[in-house]
Amino acid sequence: QVQLLESGGGVVQPGGSLRLSCAASGFAFSSYGMHWVRQAPGKGLEWVAYIRYDGSVKYYAASVQGRFTISRDNSKNTLNLQMNSLRVEDTAVYHCAKKLPDILTGGFGDYFDHWGQGTLVTVSS
Amino acid sequence: IQMTQSPSSVSASVGDRVTITCRATQGISSRLAWYQQKPGKAPNLLIYGASSLQSGVPPRFSGSASGTDFTLTISSLQPEDFATYYCQQANDFPLTFGGGTKVEIK
Repeated sequence: QVQLLESGGGVVQPGGSLRLSCAASGFAFSSYGMHWVRQAPGKGLEWVAYIRYDGSVKYYAASVQGRFTISRDNSKNTLNLQMNSLRVEDTAVYHCAKKLPDILTGGFGDYFDHWGQGTLVTVSS
Repeated sequence: IQMTQSPSSVSASVGDRVTITCRATQGISSRLAWYQQKPGKAPNLLIYGASSLQSGVPPRFSGSASGTDFTLTISSLQPEDFATYYCQQANDFPLTFGGGTKVEIK
C-alpha cells in the first residue's frame, strides 16, 4: 500500500534553515507528481509546492517562493523540501502528498490522494 | 483563486443530511476536491472532479457543481463523519483550499 513518511522537522530560529524529506513506498514514485502541503497549528490547509514526476516542473506558493526549494530523487523514492530564511509564520505541520493519477482525471487537475502524517516545523526564537 | 467555504461550523445529529458549500472566485472547470480531516490525522480525499467519489469512500458522500458554486452532501451523517471538511481547487497553481467546515455533534 502507499506509504509516505516525512522526516526532518524540528525547532529552528527565525532566519534558519531546515530540510524535510518524504520517503515514498508502495507505488511507482517516479511516475507521479508530488506536493508539500502545510497546516499551521489550529489553522487550515495551505498548499506549499509541487514537483512534476520527472522534476522538470516546479511550482511554489507565493508565501515561500524564493525561500523554499522542492526536489526529488527518483532513484531513492524520496521527496525533499529545502527551507531557508524561515519565518515564524512558517510554523506548521508539513505533509507530503501524492498526486491523484492522471488516468482518473484525464490529466486535468491536481488532487492529493495519499498524504503522509506530517512533520512539525517550529520557527521560534 | 480564492475558495470561500460555508458554514465554518455546523452542528448535526447522526442521521442528519449535511450540506457544505464552497465558492470559487473564478471558473475552475469543476476541478474541485473535498477532503475530510480528523484531529491529529492527515486529510483524506473524498471527492475529486467536483462529483467523482474516491475509491473506498462511502456513497453517502456526494458532490455537485453549479458554475463556481460547489456542494458536498453527506446524506445520512454517521458517527465517524464528525470531522473538518475542506474544499480545494485543482484547476490552477497556486492550488488553494477553503477555510474548512467543522461538523460537530449536536
